[in-house]
Amino acid sequence: DIVLTQSPGTLSLSPGERATLSCRPSQSVSSSYLAWYQQKPGQAPRLLIYGASRRATGIPDRFSGSGSGTEFTLTINKLEPEDFAVYYCQQYGPSPRTFGQGTKVEVK
Amino acid sequence: QITLKESGPSLVKPTQTLTLTCSCSGFSLTTSGVGVGWIRQPPGKALEWLALIYWDDDQHYHPSLQSRLTITKDTSNNQVVLTMTNMDPQDTATYYCAHLPLIPGASAYDTFDVWGQGTMVTVSS
Repeated sequence: DIVLTQSPGTLSLSPGERATLSCRPSQSVSSSYLAWYQQKPGQAPRLLIYGASRRATGIPDRFSGSGSGTEFTLTINKLEPEDFAVYYCQQYGPSPRTFGQGTKVEVK
Repeated sequence: QITLKESGPSLVKPTQTLTLTCSCSGFSLTTSGVGVGWIRQPPGKALEWLALIYWDDDQHYHPSLQSRLTITKDTSNNQVVLTMTNMDPQDTATYYCAHLPLIPGASAYDTFDVWGQGTMVTVSS
């Protein structure tokens, strides 16, 4: 199985700041098959990014994804209050589909 | 508008079989390019993909759980059913179903683009 390692575990930032989240697969993943999800307490995950850099429908452009191979990044520009949440990366190349352990973005 | 809703028991005993139903609306399970998957999340932990079924009945399972899982479609009711045998306290989790579009060129191709609200299942005697 491909293990996805997310860092940092927790990111403490203030509204208006930029968040940079990392996702490192244990083996190379095609950029076509890397997604990011946002999850708030008590809610289901919400798809933000697919294909490493494509925003899902309705996702604000302050969210952007980049990367390839064994290093991917989710960037959130100018954090809004509603962006404080847990973020998961997921690969959907080789089966089984796997998720990272998550990065919590919290208010500093 | 695509929506999914999970239903099933909130409490099962160890060794019992869990049956969960995902009721789908806004799309048909028989439409080419449609998939529905199940994902679970133990309390305070990360997400884990379990199983996936496509419009053509092609089924995929997480290898470590394959012997315990069965995913099927009830097309007359537009529902997807997941059964998990020999439940253990470590299976305590929120179980989600999610829509997956597999239409080349479509938005969110091959990802879980719409999720149900989830259903919490506790395994305890």
